[in-house]
Amino acid sequence: RKEVEQDPGPFNVPEGATVAFNCTYSNSASQSFFWYRQDCRKEPKLLMSVYSSGNEDGRFTAQLNRASQYISLLIRDSKLSDSATYLCVVNLMTGGFKTIFGAGTRLFVKA
Amino acid sequence: DARVTQTPRDKVTEMGQEVTMRCQPILGHNTVFWYRQTMMQGLELLAYFRNRAPLDDSGMPKDRFSAEMPDATLATLKIQPSEPRDSAVYFCASGTGANVLTFGAGSRLTVL
Repeated sequence: RKEVEQDPGPFNVPEGATVAFNCTYSNSASQSFFWYRQDCRKEPKLLMSVYSSGNEDGRFTAQLNRASQYISLLIRDSKLSDSATYLCVVNLMTGGFKTIFGAGTRLFVKA
Repeated sequence: DARVTQTPRDKVTEMGQEVTMRCQPILGHNTVFWYRQTMMQGLELLAYFRNRAPLDDSGMPKDRFSAEMPDATLATLKIQPSEPRDSAVYFCASGTGANVLTFGAGSRLTVL
């Protein structure tokens, strides 16, 4: 079983739609959590951190459920520019912090 | 903006040749990661260093891959001998502690 699992998609949604991605992690020792975004043929870049209390950044909302070992990302009012792969990321404390990436969920937003 | 620099950007080589990829982490970052990305596997963690010491290289095929940090400004990933299945994009990323990682632009390797 992979340490971080995501639905690979693709998710095809029209502009203006609300879309949600989920991610589960297997190691209960996971310490911190993030969502990264990766555009085609580019490097991953941080989208937002994920906190137990939930956090919002404009149209993006991230949630963490430690009991269920589950992370989510909600995108409201989707834009064409949101088309990308969204990577769920977990930091494990193992001597130093070991950063594990999910395989990503691909999103296509259509006009 | 501070950035992670990777070389080469693109490398085409023949099976059996040695390949060395280099990474210059952001000054002051004490953690360096090497990842490999393919369509089938996504981002796989190969190795990571903290304060130049290797902490975990369990994701790396030991017989042909090696990763080192000869100094704080340089991390290397070497494949010898290379095989077609090594074809992928190799990313280096640096960070501090549990903070976010900054990625380099990647080295695209094609082994014929």
